[in-house]
Amino acid sequence: QVQLQESGPGLVKPSETLSLTCIVSDDSISSYYWSWIRQPPGKGLEWIGYILYSGTTNYNPSLKSRVTISIDTSKNQFSLTLSSATAADTAVYYCARGQGWGGWYFELWGRGTLVTVSS
Amino acid sequence: QSALTQPASVSGSPGQSITISCTGTSSDVGSYDLVSWYQQHPGKAPKLMIYEGTKRPSGISSRFSGSKSGNTASLTISGLQAEDEAEYYCCSYAGSSTSVFGTGTKVTVL
Repeated sequence: QVQLQESGPGLVKPSETLSLTCIVSDDSISSYYWSWIRQPPGKGLEWIGYILYSGTTNYNPSLKSRVTISIDTSKNQFSLTLSSATAADTAVYYCARGQGWGGWYFELWGRGTLVTVSS
Repeated sequence: QSALTQPASVSGSPGQSITISCTGTSSDVGSYDLVSWYQQHPGKAPKLMIYEGTKRPSGISSRFSGSKSGNTASLTISGLQAEDEAEYYCCSYAGSSTSVFGTGTKVTVL
């Protein structure tokens, strides 16, 4: 069964760049939409953005100026960078596979990784 | 792009039915049949329960059903069971290739 695994630093300093990678356990990365979703401690979910295997991206307007999602199909992985991090970016970050028209439902999720922004 | 509005909490006794509402606008919920619902137990990743408004993924109990009226989508859990106690989130396509989640609803089984 396909699995997603997030990896990256658990601690980021304010004003620095948060970087995470999601590894897909098979080569289905060339067939779906791939999203990043985050959840601040004790709060709700927020869609960050997605990337298609072709490299097409779309981002949450509230984060668009700071977010970049990229993909490396040869390594079965996609990545998230969020620049100028602040304490408000502290959250559990999930990668997820999107299905359906536009990839707008998330049928497979990683376990999530907690990123804390603090000096 | 504002979060979809859900009640903070809903409760019911075992065997009862409960309904969770998800209110958006004519720019998201009201315009597309692209609402999905997720169940999240503490410390776990969300799990897809309903997609495209009314469809259940393979393996999801028929006790879970989805519907929509106007700008409000709903998730109904019938025959409530102890394991249904969790947080539930709705999510909708919001146009312009973006998505928005709901505020979340804590379901308590009494």
